[in-house]
Formats: sequence, structure tokens, C-alpha cells
Amino acid sequence: GENVEQHPSTLSVQEGDSAVIKCTYSDSASNYFPWYKQELGKRPQLIIDIRSNVGEKKDQRIAVTLNKTAKHFSLHITETQPEDSAVYFCAASPVKAAGNKLTFGGGTRVLVKP
Amino acid sequence: EAGVTQFPSHSVIEKGQTVTLRCDPISGHDNLYWYRRVMGKEIKFLLHFVKESKQDESGMPNNRFLAERTGGTYSTLKVQPAELEDSGVYFCASSQLTGGVRGTDTQYFGPGTRLTVL
Repeated sequence: GENVEQHPSTLSVQEGDSAVIKCTYSDSASNYFPWYKQELGKRPQLIIDIRSNVGEKKDQRIAVTLNKTAKHFSLHITETQPEDSAVYFCAASPVKAAGNKLTFGGGTRVLVKP
Repeated sequence: EAGVTQFPSHSVIEKGQTVTLRCDPISGHDNLYWYRRVMGKEIKFLLHFVKESKQDESGMPNNRFLAERTGGTYSTLKVQPAELEDSGVYFCASSQLTGGVRGTDTQYFGPGTRLTVL
């Protein structure tokens, strides 16, 4: 089955700096890669996703890149703000006609220091 | 639009007791997933319903766990009897696949049920 590794497990950055989280996956059949943000005591929320036919996707201060050959994808947050502090999870899945089971990485706790 | 809801938010039970968790998906979502996060580790898949049918239950740990989705609306996850290692946060997510395998299937998560088995 699919295995997703996520690094680092914790990340502390100064406000305004960039943060990068990296994930690798094992199953070449995976073609959908979402990123979830979970603030303390709240539900995981999708912040960005990418499909295997795209190499990069941006949404304001957030970007995700995908290297299918190397089987890794990364989340980039620029100009970090205190409200970016949260646990971030990457996931991978093969999208099938009847839905997709997500395999998650272990999570990265991001702390943005003012 | 109301999001995915879960009940209860917290549950503390003794080892050997039974607990039933409930998930109400977003209205109209055919796909319903159960996940679990144990002791700060990764979120792990438990099972997937499409309407009332179990599409994939490969992540269910053992036969002490029983999930149902009668009528294809809300779902319940029963743990009987509960063991210490069942402690964790149980998440439910729902989605509506559109566009087939090239489409979108964004999963919306509920707030989770924190289960503590003593």
C-alpha cells in the first residue's frame, strides 16, 4: 500500500520568513495530493491540492510543487504570519471513480514567531 | 452549507465498555470516510462508504470495530469492547466525487471525536 513520509516534524520560523514542508510517497498510482491545516482544537481543513498532471500550483502565499519522477511534493508558505501556526498534513491518493482513500504523512507542527 | 458534524466531541470510557461515535456528512455527499489519529501519529484511514455500501474497510483494526451507514446518510462507528489502544481522535470526512477519476473529490473533515479509554 501507499506510504507517505513527511519532514520536518516541527518547524519554527520567524514571522515574514518562508516555510517549506516536504513529503515523499511510494505508490506510483497516487495522483492526488492534498494538504490539510489543523489549528489547535479545530478540524483539518484543506488548504491546497495538486493533481499529478500539474507540476506546481499557487494560491496567494501558499504553493505546492510535485515531482512525479522522484515521488515527492512540497508545501511552500511565503511571508509567514502568526495565524499560519498549526499542524500541516500532506496526503496522497489514487483518485478512483468511487472516491479516494487518503494516506497521510505524520504531520508538521509549524510555529511562526512574531 | 453546514459542515461535517460529529458526536460526541469527547468520550471517556473504561476498558471493556462500548462506545458509539456518530458522523453526519455534508448533505448530498455520497462518500463518507472514517479516519483515526492515535497518540499524535499520522491520520490513518479506517473505512469508506459510498452511500450505504462499504467500499473499502481495509483500515479497520479488528472486529471490535463496526461501522454502519443505514440509508446512506449519517454513519456510526461502534467500538465493542474498547481497549486502551483505541484511544485517539476519530475523524469523519465526506465528499462528492464529480467528474470521474479526473474530477474533484475534496474531503471535508469533521471536528473529530476524542476517545479516551481508561
